[in-house]
Amino acid sequence: EAQVTQNPRYLITVTGKKLTVTCSQNMNHEYMSWYRQDPGLGLRQIYYSMNVEVTDKGDVPEGYKVSRKEKRNFPLILESPSPNQTSLYFCASKRDRVNTGELFFGEGSRLTVL
Amino acid sequence: KQEVTQIPAALSVPEGENLVLNCSFTDSAIYNLQWFRQDPGKGLTSLLLIQSSQREQTSGRLNASLDKSSGRSTLYIAASQPGDSATYLCAVGYHQEKLVFGKGTKLTVNP
Repeated sequence: EAQVTQNPRYLITVTGKKLTVTCSQNMNHEYMSWYRQDPGLGLRQIYYSMNVEVTDKGDVPEGYKVSRKEKRNFPLILESPSPNQTSLYFCASKRDRVNTGELFFGEGSRLTVL
Repeated sequence: KQEVTQIPAALSVPEGENLVLNCSFTDSAIYNLQWFRQDPGKGLTSLLLIQSSQREQTSGRLNASLDKSSGRSTLYIAASQPGDSATYLCAVGYHQEKLVFGKGTKLTVNP
């Protein structure tokens, strides 16, 4: 089954404790992206990647890192989480870099930073 | 600034009614427009994708239209069912992979 898989789905952590949210897709998609969703603000893009070893900042990249060492994986790293990073995070992918393709989303990862 | 607006923010209708959800965008130089459905606590499921050269797309009871010149898209849902209750988001694709989301319309279909 074609899917985007995120882990963990739920996480409660404390300020400053490094964490990684993994994202994996099995559709051989070139493009992958991370979003955060907050009440009243909608979905905002954090980082995206057009291919292996190619990553770019989205609208709200501060406090986050990403890497794309393999085509299928695109982990989101919070080196020193803060309470304002409490949010619902989504990973998404699509077939190619040209902005004409359908975007597929993971189920989301709800993160709480105390 | 590229902005996407969805009105109304919430909509409640009786079962069986036909309804229209609206999406407007400020920058008409779009590549595509995609409608998503989001159930509570879940990810986004793609419903319809309209390329900039197209006027509409249909899937089952759903029909999405696109009018680039006026900066508008509509999602028409025919014969609504309680299972259609969800939040519907539109997202507009621009150059260099930029995707701008609306804040969604929360639809409730009452039995």
